[in-house]
Amino acid sequence: DAKTTQPPSMDCAEGRAANLPCNHSTISGNEYVYWYRQIHSQGPQYIIHGLKNNETNEMASLIITEDRKSSTLILPHATLRDTAVYYCIVRSPHSGNTPLVFGKGTRLSVIA
Amino acid sequence: SAVISQKPSRDICQRGTSLTIQCQVDSQVTMMFWYRQQPGQSLTLIATANQGSEATYESGFVIDKFPISRPNLTFSTLTVSNMSPEDSSIYLCSAGLAGGYEQYFGPGTRLTVT
Repeated sequence: DAKTTQPPSMDCAEGRAANLPCNHSTISGNEYVYWYRQIHSQGPQYIIHGLKNNETNEMASLIITEDRKSSTLILPHATLRDTAVYYCIVRSPHSGNTPLVFGKGTRLSVIA
Repeated sequence: SAVISQKPSRDICQRGTSLTIQCQVDSQVTMMFWYRQQPGQSLTLIATANQGSEATYESGFVIDKFPISRPNLTFSTLTVSNMSPEDSSIYLCSAGLAGGYEQYFGPGTRLTVT
């Protein structure tokens, strides 16, 4: 799986959009970009994933650049409950039988 | 989707003793995964457990220290043996559904070794 690079920490004002960047310049053609988050004292939670088109669900939006070398996770209206560590992971699709490999992630602090 | 539970949720143990952590999944899964999360760190994969065969351990983790059982498609245990304070971590169980894209995690077991 391709390696990812994320900023170690970010702050965001409550109610504002949180934009979390991820670089994955060595991503290969069939690899997807996945985002998970880990709220304090909980197990990681799936947020969203995509291949090359922008994706949106009830939690977030994922914007992938045309060359697929970077992406941005967008939380449109951040709340205090979105304070967590966010992990960007690149992996092959439908790989339920292979484990996720976690980098260091971005610690997002949402501030009132 | 899958819901994963772990027992115990936390424990405080003395050095030299062993603790067995249980992981239960509400769906049948082929592979189950065990992770360790040391204080302030990211998750590190310990091993992959396939039903009916020995677990596959990642570099730096050995079966004598972290024996794993996988008796059926919904259950697994991880034992932390001969514990030292350096084993103080959160241990997480995880699984994915075959053909699915999401990996599910238990709430973790917070272990403190004194």
